[in-house]
Order: sequence, then C-alpha cells, then structure tokens
Amino acid sequence: DIQMTQSPSSLSASVGDRVTITCRASQIISSYLNWYQQKPGKAPKLLIYAASSLQSGVPSRFSGSGSGTDFTLTISTLQPEDFATYYCQESYSTITFGQGTRLEIK
Amino acid sequence: QVQLQESGPGLVKPSETLSLTCTVSGGSISSFYWSWIRQAPGKGLEWIGYINYSGSTNYNPSLKSRVTISVDTSKNQFSLKLSSVTAADTAVYYCARVNGGNLLVDCWGQGRLVTVSS
Repeated sequence: DIQMTQSPSSLSASVGDRVTITCRASQIISSYLNWYQQKPGKAPKLLIYAASSLQSGVPSRFSGSGSGTDFTLTISTLQPEDFATYYCQESYSTITFGQGTRLEIK
Repeated sequence: QVQLQESGPGLVKPSETLSLTCTVSGGSISSFYWSWIRQAPGKGLEWIGYINYSGSTNYNPSLKSRVTISVDTSKNQFSLKLSSVTAADTAVYYCARVNGGNLLVDCWGQGRLVTVSS
C-alpha cells in the first residue's frame, strides 16, 4: 500500500503570507497526486489535480508542483478564506489521503 | 451541476450493519466511478471503496472484509453496507464522484454523520 505523509501537520500564518505544504509518497506515483481543501463542517473541495493542474474555479494563488514522490501545494498570498485543512491524495494505485495539514491564523 | 445526497440511519448499534444510500441528481450515474469516503470526528479522510455503473468495485483492503458497495442505475443511486460495526466506525460518511482516469474526487455529498452506539 502507498502511504502519504504531509508536513507540517499544522501551520500558523498571516493573511498575505506565502505558504507551502509538502506531501511525500512512500513510492513513486508519477504525477498522480491531487490536493483538497476542507473547511470545518464541510465536504472537501478539489483544488489541484495531476500534481499541478488547477481545478476549474479555483483561484490562481493556489499552485501545485512535484512528481515522483515529493509534491508541494503553494498558496502565494494567503486570504482569510484559505484558513482550512488541506489533504493530498494519491491516485496512482487507489485512493489514499495524507493525514492533513491544518492551516491556522497567526 | 451534479449533486449527491447521502441518506440513511444516523445511529447504528454495535455489531450491526451500517447502510447508507447516495442519490445522484443532475447527471447520470452511468459514467464515472462512485465512492464512499469517511472521516472520524477530528480525524482525516479514509477512502472506503468505489463502484462503477456496471458494478465493478474496488475496496480499501483494511475494510474489504466488511464492505459492500452496490449500484442501482434505474434509481441513479449507489449504496454502502458496512457490517459488524464498532465505535471506531463512527464517522461522517461522504458519497462522492470519482473522475476515472486520475481517480480524482471532484464532487462530494454534504456528508452523513453515523454514530455507532448502543
């Protein structure tokens, strides 16, 4: 089974900051990596698919990069509505999520 | 605009079977894959399994022995059964659409909290 490890588990940042979240796969998964945002009490929302493709309707301040085993999600300029939990998900074998990264207001 | 809605009991007794149904509206179930994903209180996301319109399934190995996912194309619905539940199965259960090639989950239901308790 493929394991997905995100870092950090939690992160404090301020509006306007640039933030990077990392996701590492336990084996090579090419670019089969997706990112989601989840706000409290809500279902997750797809942000990025295939490592770097922006889902329709998602603001361009979100970007993804990486391939193989190491991936990053970057938010270029944090907005108040971006404070949430973020999950990576491998889609190389089945569907496995990372443990999540909670982004909090500093 | 495809919408998904979970339905079913919110309380299940230990050792019994959890049963949920997802109704798909605004689109046909006869394409894509359809999945169940759960989230225990305060925890992360756990994929349970998925099915396509023809009934082909794939389950999380850790739950495979207890899970059955089925589809009813005439009703545009798919269903989850999880047997022999314990308190550890208490979670919000989401139904979702899986976009086949990249297995990305691009549409989610609002979620249904199921509590396992006597």
